[in-house]
Amino acid sequence: DAGVTQSPTHLIKTRGQHVTLRCSPISGHKSVSWYQQVLGQGPQFIFQYYEKEERGRGNFPDRFSARQFPNYSSELNVNALLLGDSALYLCASSTGTGGQALFFGSGTQLSVL
Amino acid sequence: AQSVTQLDSQVPVFEEAPVELRCNYSSSVSVYLFWYVQYPNQGLQLLLKYLSGSTLVESINGFEAEFNKSQTSFHLRKPSVHISDTAEYFCAVTPSGAGSYQLTFGKGTKLSVIP
Repeated sequence: DAGVTQSPTHLIKTRGQHVTLRCSPISGHKSVSWYQQVLGQGPQFIFQYYEKEERGRGNFPDRFSARQFPNYSSELNVNALLLGDSALYLCASSTGTGGQALFFGSGTQLSVL
Repeated sequence: AQSVTQLDSQVPVFEEAPVELRCNYSSSVSVYLFWYVQYPNQGLQLLLKYLSGSTLVESINGFEAEFNKSQTSFHLRKPSVHISDTAEYFCAVTPSGAGSYQLTFGKGTKLSVIP
């Protein structure tokens, strides 16, 4: 079975632009979460979606938004990019039941110039 | 809110020597605890998890971690490391119960195994 897939793998944008990152969860997983990992730090929680509804939101500005589609894939959108948005963006999927581990994709490396 | 402290940012160790990576957490509610490993240019992979029951949990590749509620710790240990264990290790917590997947991660510990 395929794992969590993310696209694109790398992306270069300039300040002020908009970006869309995509994620396909493991088959059968209904929950998708997004994390931001800045170089040298642990991942930080951005969003969780379950059955197309937002279950949680981390301490990120409104420039960050996300959605989950009927097939459980997900998009993360970031508007008005700042230099500080440069990071590895990780998507993780899970069954959505309590205590089940998250399975992470390889991430999208976003560079904002 | 939860927080995780990984006391060592880098740990060098010789091949076949034992290693302990330390993790302490803070939380006002019961938590689930996890260790993830990240190899260069890759995402995170689950190493092991503690949900309830036995406080000692083991992974398939020889790592183990012990949940100590009184010391709020979840240290990761391996009796004999291999070159292939070189990676970054992250400790994470989330409130226990259904549906909560807001993992709080520590800053990570880079394990370097020296031949």
